[in-house]
Amino acid sequence: EPEVTQTPSHQVTQMGQEVILRCVPISNHLYFYWYRQILGQKVEFLVSFYNNEISEKSEIFDDQFSVERPDGSNFTLKIRSTKLEDSAMYFCASSEAPSHSYGYTFGSGTRLTVV
Amino acid sequence: AQKITQTQPGMFVQEKEAVTLDCTYDTSDQSYGLFWYKQPSSGEMIFLIYQGSYDEQNATEGRYSLNFQKARKSANLVISASQLGDSAMYFCAIQTASKLTFGTGTRLQVTL
Repeated sequence: EPEVTQTPSHQVTQMGQEVILRCVPISNHLYFYWYRQILGQKVEFLVSFYNNEISEKSEIFDDQFSVERPDGSNFTLKIRSTKLEDSAMYFCASSEAPSHSYGYTFGSGTRLTVV
Repeated sequence: AQKITQTQPGMFVQEKEAVTLDCTYDTSDQSYGLFWYKQPSSGEMIFLIYQGSYDEQNATEGRYSLNFQKARKSANLVISASQLGDSAMYFCAIQTASKLTFGTGTRLQVTL
């Protein structure tokens, strides 16, 4: 069964450093998303991406965050200058279309720890 | 704005019994989708079941069924014949437009 692949599975970084989280969505999917889950809390929407541009973003997704599809397969989330409160599990997801009937496939997540 | 409410922070169920996890939602959209995801201790998000707002029949997927009551804005998950491997966090979510909004989750513990 097709899956969304995220790397790395764990990342530890020092406060103020830049991190790039990588995702390989399902090949025929056109819509891509990032969500995050602070430990013990609910999953929160960060950003949706289609046709090489952001479709929607939440208030969490400030100027420290950016997304990119650098080639035909990867989808990345960059955090420019990490803060302690950026420590969380980051999930990438993809779907064929934004319509809810198509559903989402989530990756296994990247656990980011900022020290 | 969309909102999901899961009022049960934790639930216990005996193996082989059925359990219902509650979920209510709020949205002004007419077209939306309701999802349940399972999150085991390893952290990944596993899709369980989907219900469209225009679907008249309740969704079922194996041991999972979704009790959809549109007028009450509820979308409860029913797990039949619980197994030890069902112990996990369960999240209800609503999709409108291009994003999912999640609830706070219910931690289910299946006991012998």
